[in-house]
Amino acid sequence: EVQLMESGGKLLQPGESLGLSCEASGFSLRNYGMTWVRQGPGKGLEWVSHISGGGGATYYGDSVKGRFTVSRDNSKNTLYLQMNNLRAEDTAVYYCARSRTDSVLNDLDYWGQGTLVTVSS
Amino acid sequence: ETVLTQSPGTLSLSPGERATLSCRASQSVSGNQLAWYQQKVGQAPSLIIYDASRRATGVPPRFSGSGSGTEFTLTISTLEPEDFAVYYCHQYGASPLTFGGGTEVEIK
Repeated sequence: EVQLMESGGKLLQPGESLGLSCEASGFSLRNYGMTWVRQGPGKGLEWVSHISGGGGATYYGDSVKGRFTVSRDNSKNTLYLQMNNLRAEDTAVYYCARSRTDSVLNDLDYWGQGTLVTVSS
Repeated sequence: ETVLTQSPGTLSLSPGERATLSCRASQSVSGNQLAWYQQKVGQAPSLIIYDASRRATGVPPRFSGSGSGTEFTLTISTLEPEDFAVYYCHQYGASPLTFGGGTEVEIK
């Protein structure tokens, strides 16, 4: 059974940094691209970032480019999102999701349950 | 960036009725690479339809997707109690990937 489990969410102040993790099980992580999607309180879904199966290609949404970094450790079956210089508008539930193939241009066939990041002074 | 506009914002229907949800793209979606997700309260989204009309694994046949270019539709032929949720369309034909604002299907 495919499972994704995010962790690391917490309450922080503006300007602080935070790292999120997503542990995958039930499939070989190296064979799939992985995506981060976020959802602000009471809002819709926003694509944040994607990383290819081997980690060689990364993509970011304009709102996080230059502040967030996606990475992965396939030997640990784990995906990461390093978030720097956080802003109030980054407050959201962050989901990791599996892309159907390695490409960034894919639907998202499995999702984790999400982890809440709150940025507030 | 491809903007997706979903309508209506809220659909009030009774169990057993037919639901028709619309998703309009600001430009043609390459390869009809459009998906639909269902999100229930307090849960993560789950994939229902991909490539505009293909049902995801385990999705019942009452869900169907159609459309091409800039106009896409999700139809639920006969609403079951578990279908009341928010539905999002998502285009993955071009980067950045984008989502629609969602349609809530609520019990009338």
